[in-house]
Amino acid sequence: ELKVEQNPLFLSMQEGKNYTIYCNYSTTSDRLYWYRQDPGKSLESLFVLLSNGAVKQEGRLMASLDTKARLSTLHITAAVHDLSATYFCAVDIGTRDDKIIFGKGTRLHILP
Amino acid sequence: DAGITQSPRHKVTETGTPVTLRCHQTENHRYMYWYRQDPGHGLRLIHYSYGVKDTDKGEVSDGYSVSRSKTEDFLLTLESATSSQTSVYFCAITPTAQGLEQYFGPGTRLTVT
Repeated sequence: ELKVEQNPLFLSMQEGKNYTIYCNYSTTSDRLYWYRQDPGKSLESLFVLLSNGAVKQEGRLMASLDTKARLSTLHITAAVHDLSATYFCAVDIGTRDDKIIFGKGTRLHILP
Repeated sequence: DAGITQSPRHKVTETGTPVTLRCHQTENHRYMYWYRQDPGHGLRLIHYSYGVKDTDKGEVSDGYSVSRSKTEDFLLTLESATSSQTSVYFCAITPTAQGLEQYFGPGTRLTVT
């Protein structure tokens, strides 16, 4: 059974600082997704990582995938208050039905 | 916006009553999913569909049933609602090509009293 673990689950940080959210998963997969969720809202797709070594960047966020280590990271550079949200990673379990398993989410609070 | 709507958006119901949630998509996607979201659990898959009348169970399917008689509609039914089914329910779709992300509907907040 595929398990997806995110850490930390909660992060409070100052504006301007850098930080990394980690997503570990327990079985082989080469497709991983990052989503953002604002309070009371739906999930918004941030990144799709489809191969070992994949790196995607959008603004102050950068995501990477190491399939050998079964690890993805979401790096935040010079955080700003607008990035406060909950971030989820999700891993494709490799079936034809495109089922994915979500981590529990990292709630990020950026202090102005 | 992937053309996904959910109805109702909010519902309060009593224990033991049947409840049906609807997910509607306008872009003819083959795969549709129902998730529930609870604090501390992330999103968990309830049921999914890979075509009309083709459905299968996810990791938390007990107490739920689904139906898909048309490509555009995927219905989730709680036959006899319980307080443990109080949650936010999200529908999602994915385009037919593998490796593309799922797109989520706006969610339905269900409270069972």
